[in-house]
Amino acid sequence: DTAVSQTPKYLVTQMGNDKSIKCEQNLGHDTMYWYKQDSKKFLKIMFSYNNKELIINETVPNRFSPKSPDKAHLNLHINSLELGDSAVYFCASSRGQQVGETQYFGPGTRLLVL
Amino acid sequence: RKEVEQDPGPFNVPEGATVAFNCTYSNSASQSFFWYRQDCRKEPKLLMSVYSSGNEDGRFTAQLNRASQYISLLIRDSKLSDSATYLCVVNPPSGGSYIPTFGRGTSLIVHP
Repeated sequence: DTAVSQTPKYLVTQMGNDKSIKCEQNLGHDTMYWYKQDSKKFLKIMFSYNNKELIINETVPNRFSPKSPDKAHLNLHINSLELGDSAVYFCASSRGQQVGETQYFGPGTRLLVL
Repeated sequence: RKEVEQDPGPFNVPEGATVAFNCTYSNSASQSFFWYRQDCRKEPKLLMSVYSSGNEDGRFTAQLNRASQYISLLIRDSKLSDSATYLCVVNPPSGGSYIPTFGRGTSLIVHP
């Protein structure tokens, strides 16, 4: 009965590979997010989708492509992985896109690029 | 100047102590302020929202000072279980939206 779930939890891969991370929420929320938390612990928003439509795209390299097949899922595909992509990626959801909505985070995906 | 700044700490305090953290933000048009808590190797979880009038939830008190552009979190009677990183969140406007912007967090260690 996990509210926001992500797979995989851990991902170790070589530079240059392509990988995907999946996120699902069962809260009935309309808005979903991807965040990156780097080694310095900064948590930075990458994308936000509301009802399958992109609403925030924070100057992320176009190697990162989010996809929202329905409002309960927001996947992240990363092409040509680089060393600097190593981080923890958190998915989150909120009831709506209004400013100030509480965000519920998934457990994170720890990505290590070798 | 960073959008949202926090003293990373760590704040090392004994059980029962009172500890306070501040978080400053640069964009005066920012809306909606929060404190989240993040335990080691876990996801952030909402601790409390921050209102202009100040709000309290048990041992935790949050305040917003719009004039000086900072929010604060006060923890009274610290428990060992309060040890965590406390992240402030501010929502500055950008291109017609408000962007949730996290501080880097303040680490709190409560010791016996």
